[in-house]
Amino acid sequence: QKEVEQNSGPLSVPEGAIASLNCTYSDRGSQSFFWYRQYSGKSPELIMSIYSNGDKEDGRFTAQLNKASQYVSLLIRDSQPSDSATYLCALFSGGYNKLIFGAGTRLAVHP
Amino acid sequence: DTEVTQTPKHLVMGMTNKKSLKCEQHMGHRAMYWYKQKAKKPPELMFVYSYEKLSINESVPSRFSPECPNSSLLNLHLHALQPEDSALYLCASSLGQGGGANVLTFGAGSRLTVL
Repeated sequence: QKEVEQNSGPLSVPEGAIASLNCTYSDRGSQSFFWYRQYSGKSPELIMSIYSNGDKEDGRFTAQLNKASQYVSLLIRDSQPSDSATYLCALFSGGYNKLIFGAGTRLAVHP
Repeated sequence: DTEVTQTPKHLVMGMTNKKSLKCEQHMGHRAMYWYKQKAKKPPELMFVYSYEKLSINESVPSRFSPECPNSSLLNLHLHALQPEDSALYLCASSLGQGGGANVLTFGAGSRLTVL
């Protein structure tokens, strides 16, 4: 089992819809979770970090964390074509003392 | 200053060349990282420096040699590379190496092509 699993997509949503990106993880001891966005040919940029169970909202983005079920998700409301990118889920592994990335989900928002 | 600056943006080198990638940050971050990223794959950790000391080496071949001259600078020396080493090389920094301090700021990357 991979440490961090994401559906590679592509996830295709119409403009204005809610995009839901999901990520599951295997290390129950993980405490810090991150979502990075990466446009094609560019470097990753941090979208959200979340450390506690529940929801965390920032503008059109909401991160959700459920440690009991070992999943973290990212909701993008009112999706725009400019949101089209690969979204990388990551967690900090205390055991490995490093960030572990998922394979990324490619999101395509079509007009 | 909230940036990580990488030079050069593009590098083409032969298998016998020696070249270096450079990375600089002035955010007061004490952890710096080198990642390698191939197309349609996530970033793959190569090295971590924490407080200017090598903290993690992910069993990277010796043809890649990292150097951290001071807390703001990180270099990656390249020698006798193979065509399969062609990739985007990303530098990143964070406040620290652990837990919530591990929020990475990435540079724009250096696109390396080995002929």
